[in-house]
Amino acid sequence: SAVISQKPSRDICQRGTSLTIQCQVDSQVTMMFWYRQQPGQSLTLIATANQGSEATYESGFVIDKFPISRPNLTFSTLTVSNMSPEDSSIYLCSVLYPGQGTYEQYFGPGTRLTVT
Amino acid sequence: AQSVTQLGSHVSVSEGALVLLRCNYSSSVPPYLFWYVQYPNQGLQLLLKYTSAATLVKGINGFEAEFKKSETSFHLTKPSAHMSDAAEYFCAVRRRGYQKVTFGTGTKLQVIP
Repeated sequence: SAVISQKPSRDICQRGTSLTIQCQVDSQVTMMFWYRQQPGQSLTLIATANQGSEATYESGFVIDKFPISRPNLTFSTLTVSNMSPEDSSIYLCSVLYPGQGTYEQYFGPGTRLTVT
Repeated sequence: AQSVTQLGSHVSVSEGALVLLRCNYSSSVPPYLFWYVQYPNQGLQLLLKYTSAATLVKGINGFEAEFKKSETSFHLTKPSAHMSDAAEYFCAVRRRGYQKVTFGTGTKLQVIP
């Protein structure tokens, strides 16, 4: 299995500012993802973080708002830029890791962001 | 396109009663199916997965799920609910050969003493 840590675990930020969330995995993984979980809702994929190249964003998410870095196979960052209260969510880092029969998806503990 | 539907956003059961959380999928071919649990203020933890090896899949914490192709279902069950089972449960689907997972809307399980 893969163990994932995220920093910070939570933060309260003012609108208009930016926050960078870090994700560290205890082993090298090819596929790394960033999700958003808005209050009371399910998970929405923001982007796939690609090592050595630009992230692949899902519909509705853009690089200017959510820039992502992936400098190596164990680390990634997600920045939430020019924040507004609508960005208040849990942001989750996730990886695909080989399991029995298929790849399994592991999640970090999440970063709880409140924008005031 | 693949999708999952979880029936019931909230389910309440008495402690010791059967837990049944429903999940139906939509996919042109049998996909990989997963159940995740999210405890308050935590990330998601994989409970079990279906990969086609067996239609009845046993997971952690006494949970199991049965893949029924004819019903396009993958319902999660546990014979006897514990207070510690109170959490949110997500069904998820991934098309074979692809990496992206689609999550259901989640079901919050309440266990009443």
